[in-house]
Amino acid sequence: EPEVTQTPSHQVTQMGQEVILRCVPISNHLYFYWYRQILGQKVEFLVSFYNNEISEKSEIFDDQFSVERPDGSNFTLKIRSTKLEDSAMYFCASSVSGAYNSPLHFGNGTRLTVT
Amino acid sequence: QKEVEQNSGPLSVPEGAIASLNCTYSDRGSQSFFWYRQYSGKSPELIMSIYSNGDKEDGRFTAQLNKASQYVSLLIRDSQPSDSATYLCAVTSGTYKYIFGTGTRLKVLA
Repeated sequence: EPEVTQTPSHQVTQMGQEVILRCVPISNHLYFYWYRQILGQKVEFLVSFYNNEISEKSEIFDDQFSVERPDGSNFTLKIRSTKLEDSAMYFCASSVSGAYNSPLHFGNGTRLTVT
Repeated sequence: QKEVEQNSGPLSVPEGAIASLNCTYSDRGSQSFFWYRQYSGKSPELIMSIYSNGDKEDGRFTAQLNKASQYVSLLIRDSQPSDSATYLCAVTSGTYKYIFGTGTRLKVLA
């Protein structure tokens, strides 16, 4: 069964550094998402991406964050100048046809630790 | 602020019993509803989707949707210890967003 692939599985970085989290969505999916889950808390929406542009973003997704689809397969989340509170599990997800009768399929996540 | 509410639990049921998990949502315009299972340290895994009022069964799982009451539920029959996990309710909001509840932790006691 097709899968969403995320790399790396674990990233440790120092406060103030930039990180790039990478994802390869399922190949026939058109909508891409990043979610975050701080330890013990709920899965929070960060951003959705369709047709090479951001469709919707949350209040969390401020100027520190950016997303890009640099080629036909990869989808990246960049976090500039990381803070301690950015430590979380970051999930990439994709869906066939957006949020209408189409479930999200999640990758295995990248655990980001900011020290 | 559109919300999805779940009882955080833990909900403890004996092996072989029926586990009943509930979810309410605030956005009357929500069209699609999902249940995910999440084991500790892992990503959410889709269990069921439901898009219209009524019941939908898949193996040991039954999802129930009542849009008038803004209520979704998940029944797990013949619960097994391997069903012990956190169950997340997700609801769509508009075209581009899925909102998750905090999840209900289920413990199935052997």
